[in-house]
Amino acid sequence: AQSVTQLGSHVSVSEGALVLLRCNYSSSVPPYLFWYVQYPNQGLQLLLKYTTGATLVKGINGFEAEFKKSETSFHLTKPSAHMSDAAEYFCAVRGNAGNMLTFGGGTRLMVKP
Amino acid sequence: ETGVTQTPRHLVMGMTNKKSLKCEQHLGHNAMYWYKQSAKKPLELMFVYNFKEQTENNSVPSRFSPECPNSSHLFLHLHTLQPEDSALYLCASSQGLPGGTDTQYFGPGTRLTVL
Repeated sequence: AQSVTQLGSHVSVSEGALVLLRCNYSSSVPPYLFWYVQYPNQGLQLLLKYTTGATLVKGINGFEAEFKKSETSFHLTKPSAHMSDAAEYFCAVRGNAGNMLTFGGGTRLMVKP
Repeated sequence: ETGVTQTPRHLVMGMTNKKSLKCEQHLGHNAMYWYKQSAKKPLELMFVYNFKEQTENNSVPSRFSPECPNSSHLFLHLHTLQPEDSALYLCASSQGLPGGTDTQYFGPGTRLTVL
């Protein structure tokens, strides 16, 4: 069984500041990890994913995430926030069998001018 | 058309109505999914279809009835819904690969309001 915890349902940063969105997971098998973004009135868009190999994963829009097995974490970062980054972000985990993704509760990112 | 499309984008219905949500994917995928997204609740998986066969029904009430006539189309038939069923219903598709690397791609959702 898998579970995902996203610390902080709301995160507010200033434009140009570092973005850090936290995700911790539990999984009984090696996990596959995903970050999705949801803009208002839209569906989920894949930002990046970790499957195997390099633990630092680069995604779209300047985001990246690092898989840390020892910390069971997959935090999402971006060096400099832009107003257009304001959205809700979802972390998800999947085991190595079946199709099911388990999502975290989401973090709403607000970017102040 | 690209990606995953959903129609209608918005739907208002009474509790005695019957309506259907439609999802179509243009990605050549073999698996399709229905999710429910309610305010202040995590995304809930409702149904999964692999190669047109239902492989997951996440204890969804029978007033929701899915249909998958082929790998490109997925429907969610609705009848005698309750106000608490008001939510954003998201469709997704994936290749249906084994081994966990499968990636789901989402449609824009249907915003359903039950009066």
